[in-house]
Order: sequence, then structure tokens, then C-alpha cells
Amino acid sequence: DAGITQSPRHKVTETGTPVTLRCHQTENHRYMYWYRQDPGHGLRLIHYSYGVKDTDKGEVSDGYSVSRSKTEDFLLTLESATSSQTSVYFCAISEIRSGKLFFGSGTQLSVL
Amino acid sequence: AQTVTQSQPEMSVQEAETVTLSCTYDTSENNYYLFWYKQPPSRQMILVIRQEAYKQQNATENRFSVNFQKAAKSFSLKISDSQLGDTAMYFCGVENAGNNRKLIWGLGTSLAVNP
Repeated sequence: DAGITQSPRHKVTETGTPVTLRCHQTENHRYMYWYRQDPGHGLRLIHYSYGVKDTDKGEVSDGYSVSRSKTEDFLLTLESATSSQTSVYFCAISEIRSGKLFFGSGTQLSVL
Repeated sequence: AQTVTQSQPEMSVQEAETVTLSCTYDTSENNYYLFWYKQPPSRQMILVIRQEAYKQQNATENRFSVNFQKAAKSFSLKISDSQLGDTAMYFCGVENAGNNRKLIWGLGTSLAVNP
């Protein structure tokens, strides 16, 4: 599993509140990704990072921000959660040597 | 922009038979990777098989193999001797091999293996 831990595993929050999801890796991988998964939409890239303090937007970045102040942690923040952000969120890392993508176990977020 | 299309939202196959899942893609990159991942009901994303675009030889991983047609931008997955444990969502993806390593996915194919 490439040492990827997502936290929390489940979260219920109210509209308008800030939410931060954490992705932690233990193997010093450079590339990290945040995806959301929704029925009928598959996996959509929110943001990704190619190094400390190097991040870029994906296809559905509106309403989300990220930070990567150290290699092992990639944080996804919903500044003001909306019901449309109810989803399953996956963190992933790309192993440069093999090109393989490894995923965390996902976070089920419900915004009421 | 990269796009990935999986034209079969749902498929079913009898146990021990062979099934092929289709995937077509579009990319302007010259060097890229192609993937198939499965997602069983546990929600965990599991790598099934990976193909490097510059390699002509089709990748094989035990009962799983691909038919990679680069000119046609097609990357289908064949599952031989289907097992009940193969029941899952299957996602096809394309990843740039350069510094910008974004990976774009298809919408998935739900495969049911019937006893």
C-alpha cells in the first residue's frame, strides 16, 4: 500500500464549515494526488503536487485548496463545505520508478 | 486535454469464462502510461495491470492481459478464467510520463462475475 494513510476515514459536517483531509505517506514519494469519486463521474482529479510547495489544479479544483509543506503530508481543505462536496475522497501517490499509482483507503465525507 | 472513455458501464460474465473491457483514450503526449485498476466493494483501489506506451508488447499479469493499439488509442483489458473475486468496478486511466504526471480516468465498468 506504499505507506499511505488518509484521515479521517469518515466525516460528517455541516454546510459552511471548513474541513481538512489529511494524506500521509511514509516513503518519500514526490507526486501526490487528491481525487474525488462520485457515482456516474468516476475519479476526478482535484489537485496534485509534484513536490514540497509545488501544487497544481486538477479538473475539479473549485472550492478546494491544498498544501504540501513537507514531503509526507498533502492536505486538502474545503474552506466552506457545500453539499455538492459530499463524496469519497482518495489520496494517491505515484511511484516514479515503476510509474504505479497507489491509493489510500478513502475518506467518506458527508456535508449536510 | 486528455480524455478516457469506457463505453461499457456494466458487464457480466459467467465464472471461468473470458471477458474483455474496452477503453479508448485521447492524449497529445508522446510518452505516457496506461492503467487498469479494480475497485471491489471494499472501496480499495487495486492496480490490475500497467502498460508503457512506448512498449509495443502487450502487458500480461496472470489472468489479466491487455490489447494495446496505440494508433487507435485503444487499451482493452481481457480477463481470462473469470473468478467471483473479479467482481468489481474497473477503471482505465492514462498518466503523462513527464514532469506533469496527471492521471485521468474513465468512468468505470461495473463487472459482475456470476456463478
